[in-house]
Amino acid sequence: GDSVTQMEGPVTLSEEAFLTINCTYTATGYPSLFWYVQYPGEGLQLLLKATKADDKGSNKGFEATYRKETTSFHLEKGSVQVSDSAVYFCALSSSNTGNQFYFGTGTSLTVIP
Amino acid sequence: EAQVTQNPRYLITVTGKKLTVTCSQNMNHEYMSWYRQDPGLGLRQIYYSMNVEVTDKGDVPEGYKVSRKEKRNFPLILESPSPNQTSLYFCASSLSLGFELFFGSGTQLSVL
Repeated sequence: GDSVTQMEGPVTLSEEAFLTINCTYTATGYPSLFWYVQYPGEGLQLLLKATKADDKGSNKGFEATYRKETTSFHLEKGSVQVSDSAVYFCALSSSNTGNQFYFGTGTSLTVIP
Repeated sequence: EAQVTQNPRYLITVTGKKLTVTCSQNMNHEYMSWYRQDPGLGLRQIYYSMNVEVTDKGDVPEGYKVSRKEKRNFPLILESPSPNQTSLYFCASSLSLGFELFFGSGTQLSVL
């Protein structure tokens, strides 16, 4: 079945460091891909999305490109801030999955000053 | 303000005592779903609903029930809770599959 695999955490970076969180997926058809962020004590909120191959989603300095050839949707940010400390989830949705959303296990990011 | 409202935020109960977690959205969304979040397992879908009176099982439906009598409400029912249902639960809604999911703030459930 469809699934998402993302980089194990936790990840600790210094402020202004470069961030990459890897995400790969298994899906039939053409899923939509998402990155969600969860700040402490809160629900998940959408960070960015891409709906077709080669689309790049971007928001708040974060970017991810939908790569069908490598079935990947890696999250990147050029210069992280302390306020980016959170848990990041990669997810996919597709009508081929029986109308479900599938989430990765989450990657915890801590940015230290 | 567009939002998904879950209640209660925290709940402690005992094995076998029926409980309901409410979920309501004010965005006229077609799609609603329930997830549980457990350490190391990420979010797993319990049930989802594509529209009123249409519900389907997700990946971990055992021990849970749902209903969708109105478009805005999607309560999660635990008829006989057990300790392995101790978890953080999230309700979410979206316009349709493939669109952004909006999440509630979560319900931390402890079953003793």
